[in-house]
Formats: sequence, structure tokens, C-alpha cells
Amino acid sequence: DAGITQSPRYKITETGRQVTLMCHQTWSHSYMFWYRQDLGHGLRLIYYSAAADITDKGEVPDGYVVSRSKTENFPLTLESATRSQTSVYFCASSLSSGGYSGELFFGEGSRLTVL
Amino acid sequence: GNSVTQMEGPVTLSEEAFLTINCTYTATGYPSLFWYVQYPGEGLQLLLKATKADDKGSNKGFEATYRKETTSFHLEKGSVQVSDSAVYFCALISSSDYKLSFGAGTTVTVRA
Repeated sequence: DAGITQSPRYKITETGRQVTLMCHQTWSHSYMFWYRQDLGHGLRLIYYSAAADITDKGEVPDGYVVSRSKTENFPLTLESATRSQTSVYFCASSLSSGGYSGELFFGEGSRLTVL
Repeated sequence: GNSVTQMEGPVTLSEEAFLTINCTYTATGYPSLFWYVQYPGEGLQLLLKATKADDKGSNKGFEATYRKETTSFHLEKGSVQVSDSAVYFCALISSSDYKLSFGAGTTVTVRA
């Protein structure tokens, strides 16, 4: 199906473990984003990417790593998970043609719990 | 830097009531403004947007007007339904970059 999909939808892990959240989009959008959603903070940008092999830090990048070897995939890795990284993570993409319109298309989210 | 401040919730209303969610912003340049909605268990989706001063965005009975003089973009709906229960996020993107800045979100519950 077309769209943007995230996996896993739910994940429980332990402190210190590595976790990778996957994001795949079928629209060939150039821009992709990772946000975390926490009560009282809204959405905060972790990392973003303007194209394959181009990534940059957002507002809260510490403890996270991203890569973008292919346009359609944008995985987010927590190298050594901490309890403060318990959150709901959203991947999003946006159109590239004609400049950035501000309209993001979001995945359904990945709920991560770090024990 | 850019920032968005929206009214704290939660907001609880009865069906057919009038809804207003306040949103003010701080930005450099001439930002575009957005309202996103998140229904339970789903990702966010764009509700409406306005790209310049005095523009009115509208969708699904919701409206918001870009007020440069008051740096505001308040969301309104004249008669809410139970299906409008969701979290609403105000957001902006400045003319200098392509990263959206979101407000904290306002949870709205509409009771039958």
C-alpha cells in the first residue's frame, strides 16, 4: 500500500540496548523527519533529511543516529536506550517539488518503552 | 528562534458547542501557519493552513485566520461533533528554513 509506514508499532526494551525504528515511504518524497511526542512538549524534531545521504540534527538529537542510504527509508537508531527515550516516535515525509510547503505526511507512530 | 504557544487543555465540550483553540507564534521573516490534527491512535494530519497575513484556512468546518498584527492563528469551529475529539497542534514554518515548529498540542474531547 502507498503511504508512510513505521515499524515496529510497539516496542519494549531495556536500558542500554540498541533499538532501531524503521520508516518507509512510497511517495519518493525528498524530505523525511523523525519527531518524538511527549506529554507537555508536543512534537520535537530529532533528525531530518533533505535527500538520500543528507541528514541533519533537529532540536533533540542526542542519543539518536539516523541514516538515509535510500530515498524511501529513514531508520532511527537509539544506540544505547535510556528511560528518558520512552516516547512515541513519528516519522514524516514531505513533497520536494516547488519548495517545501509545510505539509507533512505522518506515519502512525512507534511507541517505545525503555525499562 | 521560532516558537508556537497554544492554549493548554484538555478542553471538554458538548456536541454542537463552539470551539476555539488559541495559538500565538514568534517567528523571523514571514511564516506559514498550520493546524494539524491527531485522532486517537493515529499520526498527525494537516487540517488547514495559511501562508500569508489575513489568509483564512478552512477545512471540515474548522477555520483559522492568519493575524500578523497579533501574531495569532486561532482555530475555531462553530458546532463540534463527537468525531472532532482529537489532539490539535498549531505549527509554523518560517521563510528561512523548512522545519516545522509545533505547539504542545491541545486535547479536545466532545461529549454526546
